[in-house]
Amino acid sequence: SQQGEEDPQALSIQEGENATMNCSYKTSINNLQWYRQNSGRGLVHLILIRSNEREKHSGRLRVTLDTSKKSSSLLITASRAADTASYFCATGGKLVFGKGTKLTVNP
Amino acid sequence: EAGVTQFPSHSVIEKGQTVTLRCDPISGHDNLYWYRRVMGKEIKFLLHFVKESKQDESGMPNNRFLAERTGGTYSTLKVQPAELEDSGVYFCASSQRGYNEKLFFGSGTQLSVL
Repeated sequence: SQQGEEDPQALSIQEGENATMNCSYKTSINNLQWYRQNSGRGLVHLILIRSNEREKHSGRLRVTLDTSKKSSSLLITASRAADTASYFCATGGKLVFGKGTKLTVNP
Repeated sequence: EAGVTQFPSHSVIEKGQTVTLRCDPISGHDNLYWYRRVMGKEIKFLLHFVKESKQDESGMPNNRFLAERTGGTYSTLKVQPAELEDSGVYFCASSQRGYNEKLFFGSGTQLSVL
């Protein structure tokens, strides 16, 4: 199945540092999406990267995609306490999610 | 513009009871999805509506779950009778065009079956 698996499962950093999360998937894809979930809330779409793209930026977010390795990374630069949340990658038409990376940014 | 809204936000019921969850998608979004997250596990796809038709219900766990989308507007997800393993957060999402585009999610319904 097209399953996204995020790594690490949990990440704790200090405000101002960069956070990098990785995602691996199993089959070929048309695109890969990243979502964020704040505690007790729904998922919020962050960025979509298509299979013919290698890198994409959105504000402090940078996403890379390596289709040969079936992997993607999400980099959050200059992190803030408000970035504390769980981050998920998702692939496929029906959006298959991984378990997510729980990011904690300490003030 | 209103986002995807779900009701109730929390529901606590006893095993064997019936619960109905409701989702109002963003106006004009023909595609509506239901997902579920059981504690500690992945967010899993349940089903997908295009307007009032079920496009894909391959993720529905069993026949205790019934989803409807009356007139292609709001959707309901009924669990009858509820079992302990049905506990989790049920998310609804909508999109305008369908697969391979971003989804807009509701805040979810936290269902606890005791």
